[in-house]
Amino acid sequence: KAGVTQTPRYLIKTRGQQVTLSCSPISGHRSVSWYQQTPGQGLQFLFEYFSETQRNKGNFPGRFSGRQFSNSRSEMNVSTLELGDSALYLCASTLGRGVNTEAFFGQGTRLTVV
Amino acid sequence: GENVEQHPSTLSVQEGDSAVIKCTYSDSASNYFPWYKQELGKGPQLIIDIRSNVGEKKDQRIAVTLNKTAKHFSLHITETQPEDSAVYFCAASTGNTPLVFGKGTRLSVIA
Repeated sequence: KAGVTQTPRYLIKTRGQQVTLSCSPISGHRSVSWYQQTPGQGLQFLFEYFSETQRNKGNFPGRFSGRQFSNSRSEMNVSTLELGDSALYLCASTLGRGVNTEAFFGQGTRLTVV
Repeated sequence: GENVEQHPSTLSVQEGDSAVIKCTYSDSASNYFPWYKQELGKGPQLIIDIRSNVGEKKDQRIAVTLNKTAKHFSLHITETQPEDSAVYFCAASTGNTPLVFGKGTRLSVIA
C-alpha cells in the first residue's frame, strides 16, 4: 500500500510570491492534516480536512489556506510569501476522525523563501 | 488548549544502554498519546502509541508508560542501537482535536 505522497519535495520561492503544495493520502484515508515544522517552533498544526470540509484550523494568518478534493487529495496554499514561511510542510493522513486513529506522515515539502 | 512539554531536548547514550524521554500534557481530556521518530530528510514515523485506558504498552525494545493522574507519559528504549539515533516527538490528542506535539528530543546513540 502506498504511503502519503507530498509534491514537490523541494521549492524555492521569492518573497511576495504564492505557492501550492499537494498531498495524496493513503488510499482509503479520508482525513488530511497539515503541519509546519521549523527548528524553533517544532511541529505546528495548520489545518485538518475531512470529507472536503475544514474541521480544525491552527493559529496561522489567512495567507495560509487549504482545500480537499472528493478523492481526499489535499492542497495547501500560501500567498504573499514571507521569509519566515521557510519550513518543512508535512501532511498526515488518518483513516477517519472521532476515534484516535494513527496519523501517517509524508516526507514533507521543504519550502525556502528568499 | 493542549500544551505538551518534552524533556530532554537532547540525549546521548552509549550503545546498549537505555534511553528515556518524558512528556507532560495539560488537557485532562487528552486520551491518545503517540510517539514519532523522525530521521534526517524524512517525515515523522509512528513508532508506538498508547490510549488512556492503558498504563503501559511494549513493542520489542520500545515501551511507553502513561500516568493519567500526573498527566505525563514516557518513552523507553532498551538496548539502544546506532539506528535508534533520530529526533523523537511525543504528542497528545483528545480525539476530534489535532495532535499537539512536544518540541522533540534528539537522541544520539554512540557506538
